[in-house]
Amino acid sequence: QVQLVQSGADVKKPGASVKVSCKSSGYIFRRHGISWVRQAPGQGLEWMAWISLYNGNTNFAQKVQGRVTLTSDTSTNTTYMELRSLRSDDTATYYCARDRHPLVAAPYYGMDVWGQGTTVTVSS
Amino acid sequence: QSVLTQPPSMSAAPGQKVTISCSGTSSNIGDNSASWYQHLPGTAPKLLIYDNNKRPSGIPDRFSGSKSGTSATLDITGLQTEDEADYYCETWDSSLSAVLFGGGTKLAVL
Repeated sequence: QVQLVQSGADVKKPGASVKVSCKSSGYIFRRHGISWVRQAPGQGLEWMAWISLYNGNTNFAQKVQGRVTLTSDTSTNTTYMELRSLRSDDTATYYCARDRHPLVAAPYYGMDVWGQGTTVTVSS
Repeated sequence: QSVLTQPPSMSAAPGQKVTISCSGTSSNIGDNSASWYQHLPGTAPKLLIYDNNKRPSGIPDRFSGSKSGTSATLDITGLQTEDEADYYCETWDSSLSAVLFGGGTKLAVL
């Protein structure tokens, strides 16, 4: 079945970087883009960024632009999200989510499969 | 403060119907299709509605969606205790070139 499996929880100090992985299975990896969405404690869902696995195009939320890098490894069907210069308000559960519609130019059409979430705690 | 406005909380009794609204603007809901997600604590969000009113396979027909102008709506009929969750609307914003989520609605089934 279609599945996204994320890396485990992580604890980082302020100013450090974190890299979260998202391994896809059960579908043709390059056909569907991947978004990254986070939820801080007590807050709602917040979209962060998106990557097309077909052509490498990306979109970023203004709030994190410049601190986030998205990459992928087609040999392992894995997508990565690196967040730099971590602050306490980056403490959140981070989700990867697959585009519902294949081969789109941007994440227009919703997300149909989600990873289990990765908790990142930023604390000194 | 989310660009997409949802009521923070709602409650209804089992068996009743609830309508969750999502208010946006011409550059987001007015220009693009809306999706709805159900989110239970400690689990991954689940897609309930896409393209304003379509259900993925496996989603009961108790869940339905609609869109009018710059607002989208999620209806849940025949409420069950397991429907107690957070519900989020989502769409693309053509001006911001970004995905937007509503602030979320916490539904209590009492």
